[in-house]
Amino acid sequence: AQKVTQAQTEISVVEKEDVTLDCVYETRDTTYYLFWYKQPPSGELVFLIRRNSFDEQNEISGRYSWNFQKSTSSFNFTITASQVVDSAVYFCALSEAASGTYKYIFGTGTRLKVLA
Amino acid sequence: DAGVTQSPTHLIKTRGQQVTLRCSPKSGHDTVSWYQQALGQGPQFIFQYYEEEERQRGNFPDRFSGHQYPNYSSELNVNALLLGDSALYLCASSWGARGGEKLFFGSGTQLSVL
Repeated sequence: AQKVTQAQTEISVVEKEDVTLDCVYETRDTTYYLFWYKQPPSGELVFLIRRNSFDEQNEISGRYSWNFQKSTSSFNFTITASQVVDSAVYFCALSEAASGTYKYIFGTGTRLKVLA
Repeated sequence: DAGVTQSPTHLIKTRGQQVTLRCSPKSGHDTVSWYQQALGQGPQFIFQYYEEEERQRGNFPDRFSGHQYPNYSSELNVNALLLGDSALYLCASSWGARGGEKLFFGSGTQLSVL
């Protein structure tokens, strides 16, 4: 069964602190894609990263970094030196490419509040 | 380059009414997916349209229907509205109807059913 779990409902940090958002997924497919999206108050989901199941290299983009571990079915997201503008809801999502399905499974999201 | 546009941004309806939501995909995209996002939840897949046909449907009743036009724009129709249909409806576009493509989302239509 496909499932994405974001156990952290809400996280509050003080500006400049580092914060890690957890994502655990379940899939039977060997070929799949994982995503992180950011949803600011405007409502639009903004794409942050896509990672396929064959690429376990960690990635860093500015203050953002992602840790993909197939052994633990996790795809965690870290923001270094957080800023108030990082305040938003963050969603992890799964897409199974091999099974002929086109839907994306989203987690329930983690609301990040960065306090000045 | 215009992104995904949705209209209207807000809508208030009463139970039993019907509603139509509209979406124009990002330029160059031919696939449109619709998602429902209830308050405090993640988006839930409603259906996807490609080449003017519904390619896949999520666990939503037949009251939810859609359409895609030759210019790739799309509509989501909901009949016999229920209170539980109150949600943010998000349209996402991509190129090619296959899994794993990056989705581009609109800002959504906030539907309130009274």
